[in-house]
Amino acid sequence: DPKIIQKPKYLVAVTGSEKILICEQYLGHNAMYWYRQSAKKPLEFMFSYSYQKLMDNQTASSRFQPQSSKKNHLDLQITALKPDDSATYFCASSQDPPEQYFGPGTRLTVL
Amino acid sequence: AQKVTQTQTSISVVEKTTVTMDCVYETRDSSYFLFWYKQTASGEIVFLIRQDSYKKENATVGHYSLNFQKPKSSIGLIITATQIEDSAVYFCAMREGRNNYAQGLTFGLGTRVSVFP
Repeated sequence: DPKIIQKPKYLVAVTGSEKILICEQYLGHNAMYWYRQSAKKPLEFMFSYSYQKLMDNQTASSRFQPQSSKKNHLDLQITALKPDDSATYFCASSQDPPEQYFGPGTRLTVL
Repeated sequence: AQKVTQTQTSISVVEKTTVTMDCVYETRDSSYFLFWYKQTASGEIVFLIRQDSYKKENATVGHYSLNFQKPKSSIGLIITATQIEDSAVYFCAMREGRNNYAQGLTFGLGTRVSVFP
């Protein structure tokens, strides 16, 4: 059974719309993260949460808002979508030891 | 600010041989963790191996091992007895601080490894 679930796998949106990316982890980890991977760029860290509290935010834009309703859930709401937001968004989680485990990703395309 | 650099864009090797890939990092922190991940053709990102900065011994897991040269800020990945399934993009990553819980990783751009029969 998959340990980190991301929904949907693929997402197509129009410019200016709003979408929510879903992430659930069943590894029993306390920390969860969002990363973005776009063409020719390294995986970029966006947010981290622990026990439903924001721990670190490296995303300059307020259009990206993480939402955590449960300890093992960390969704990502993106508003006013732009074509530059097109990327694959990965959710990850960790405990101690510090290595992070990644979900399968959501590929977002903004037209 | 931390930075991770992988200068090798791609490497091709023959099956059952050894491949080595380089990674250098920059950090002002005296304590940090270094990781290697691989991304398969399907896009899956898989954790491979970790090196703790305070440990002198090179980490080894299965047919993956590390060449940690702290004075050079270098952490190389060595894959022995390569298999076709080892074809993937390999990423080096770093996290500063032993007690910085829930801190994000800084990744390099990756090295594409192609293993041929």
